Amino acid sequence: DVKVTQSSRYLVKRTGEKVFLECVQDMDHENMFWYRQDPGLGLRLIYFSYDVKMKEKGDIPEGYSVSREKKERFSLILESASTNQTSMYLCASSPRQGDETQYFGPGTRLLVL
Amino acid sequence: GENVEQHPSTLSVQEGDSAVIKCTYSDSASNYFPWYKQELGKGPQLIIDIRSNVGEKKDQRIAVTLNKTAKHFSLHITETQPEDSAVYFCAASVPGGSYIPTFGRGTSLIVHP
Repeated sequence: DVKVTQSSRYLVKRTGEKVFLECVQDMDHENMFWYRQDPGLGLRLIYFSYDVKMKEKGDIPEGYSVSREKKERFSLILESASTNQTSMYLCASSPRQGDETQYFGPGTRLLVL
Repeated sequence: GENVEQHPSTLSVQEGDSAVIKCTYSDSASNYFPWYKQELGKGPQLIIDIRSNVGEKKDQRIAVTLNKTAKHFSLHITETQPEDSAVYFCAASVPGGSYIPTFGRGTSLIVHP
């Protein structure tokens, strides 16, 4: 069974803290994605990665960075968390070719105080 | 780039009624249109998809129709049940390179028993 896991379901951080959100997939997928989900705004792409050590900016990369040192792991980093980064963060993966389905993790709900 | 509009944002129906969610897209090159269902506390999961060489696709109580000329596609759920209550997202993608969909903003479907 396809599996995308995220390190935390809920996270509370203080303004200015460095925050790491981890995502792991067990499907040997090349592509991995980080989305942010806010009410009324749908899913907005932050960053994606085609392969190990590769990364591309999505629609809203400001204030975020990513790391992909291993194929199965894609990390989202908030260098200095701010209250406007309070949101639900979703990780997804997909194979490079063929099946275009995205497989999502359960999400991490981040609250920045 | 691609723009996907989704309506309505909220849909409330009685159990047993039908529900229809509509999406329009802007890029005529888009050729893959998936629908995702997001239940409370979970990540989105693919429920049905359609490609541009097909006008309609059905899977038990759910169906998707595509009108390429008008650039719109719809999700139809018949005989709705309380477990159909969720947020539904449509998406569209243009071929070439890694698959990166553009998502609609989501529809919150509430099925009243």
